[in-house]
Amino acid sequence: ETGVTQTPRHLVMGMTNKKSLKCEQHLGHNAMYWYKQSAKKPLELMFVYNFKEQTENNSVPSRFSPECPNSSHLFLHLHTLQPEDSALYLCASSPQGNTEAFFGQGTRLTVV
Amino acid sequence: RKEVEQDPGPFNVPEGATVAFNCTYSNSASQSFFWYRQDCRKEPKLLMSVYSSGNEDGRFTAQLNRASQYISLLIRDSKLSDSATYLCVVNSYQGGKLIFGQGTELSVKP
Repeated sequence: ETGVTQTPRHLVMGMTNKKSLKCEQHLGHNAMYWYKQSAKKPLELMFVYNFKEQTENNSVPSRFSPECPNSSHLFLHLHTLQPEDSALYLCASSPQGNTEAFFGQGTRLTVV
Repeated sequence: RKEVEQDPGPFNVPEGATVAFNCTYSNSASQSFFWYRQDCRKEPKLLMSVYSSGNEDGRFTAQLNRASQYISLLIRDSKLSDSATYLCVVNSYQGGKLIFGQGTELSVKP
């Protein structure tokens, strides 16, 4: 069982819907990340949180809105997405910003 | 230039073969280096960290050359279960920013 849990595992949403992805880590880590992985493309870093503070927003469109209420939980709020946003969204955590990261199993998102 | 660039794949090798993956990174101030493995439709999993002195874990050997900004992964005696995509990962000097290469796919055949 992974120390980083993501829900839901699969999500299908319409372009006018609002949904949220949830990530929870049980590892006592201080840094959490959202990555996007589209088909046949490398992982793209979206957001970084260190000690609950956002330290990186990698030019992500505003239709993706992260939230980090505490160091164990990370959310990604989605609204008015486009079909090209369909991808695997991966959450990761690390003890601190310059160490290895551990990934959740991802949410496979399909926008219709 | 991409921040992290890997050998294009795929690599198709027979069982028992030795295979080497190469990776270059653009930021000379990068601090930490890793190899991850990703199976089809699964999350990436840490394979090993890469140290300046080089490190070995069983059949896997990782090397780092800071002067050339180059990282390598050697797999000896390949197994069918080694089939996966191998990801080179570099931590940005700014900290808290793991940058992934595009991955190199390995397929080990009987």
